Amino acid sequence: QKEVEQDPGPLSVPEGAIVSLNCTYSNSAFQYFMWYRQYSRKGPELLMYTYSSGNKEDGRFTAQVDKSSKYISLFIRDSQPSDSATYLCAMSARGATNKLIFGTGTLLAVQP
Amino acid sequence: GAGVSQTPSNKVTEKGKYVELRCDPISGHTALYWYRQSLGQGPEFLIYFQGTGAADDSGLPNDRFFAVRPEGSVSTLKIQRTERGDSAVYLCASSSNQGAGELFFGEGSRLTVL
Repeated sequence: QKEVEQDPGPLSVPEGAIVSLNCTYSNSAFQYFMWYRQYSRKGPELLMYTYSSGNKEDGRFTAQVDKSSKYISLFIRDSQPSDSATYLCAMSARGATNKLIFGTGTLLAVQP
Repeated sequence: GAGVSQTPSNKVTEKGKYVELRCDPISGHTALYWYRQSLGQGPEFLIYFQGTGAADDSGLPNDRFFAVRPEGSVSTLKIQRTERGDSAVYLCASSSNQGAGELFFGEGSRLTVL
């Protein structure tokens, strides 16, 4: 079993839809949770970063962490065609914060 | 440059050959990371440098892989006796501190071993 599980998709939604992306994990030592966006043939870029449990909002993006369930989510409101990309969850443990463990990524397509 | 620069962007080699991949991090970033991303997978940690020293090399798959960062800036990932299974995108990232999460990635070096 992988430490981080993520549905690879693809996920196709119409423009303006609310998108929900999720990851589950098994390592209870994970404390830092991130979402990266990766366009085709580009490097990942950080979207959201949260520490421990709770919610964080940034514009159209909301990240949620539920440590009791070992489950994290990224919500995208009013999705745009430019949001079409692969979304990677990543996490790290206290004392090993430099070593990110990534999910496989979910490929999202927002149809105009 | 403003971002992390990786060269070459594409490398095709034959099985058994030696390969070097170069990473030029963001100026002033003390931490440098190498990850490997296979098709349809997320990036997989290889090695982390803080300054000139490898602080964590636990992700290097075997002794054919080696990385250096002699002056605390540019890093080179070296792969000896390449195998077809080494084909992947090798991503370099840098960050301004040891902290979690805010890694700035380059566009990667796509290695194909025939």
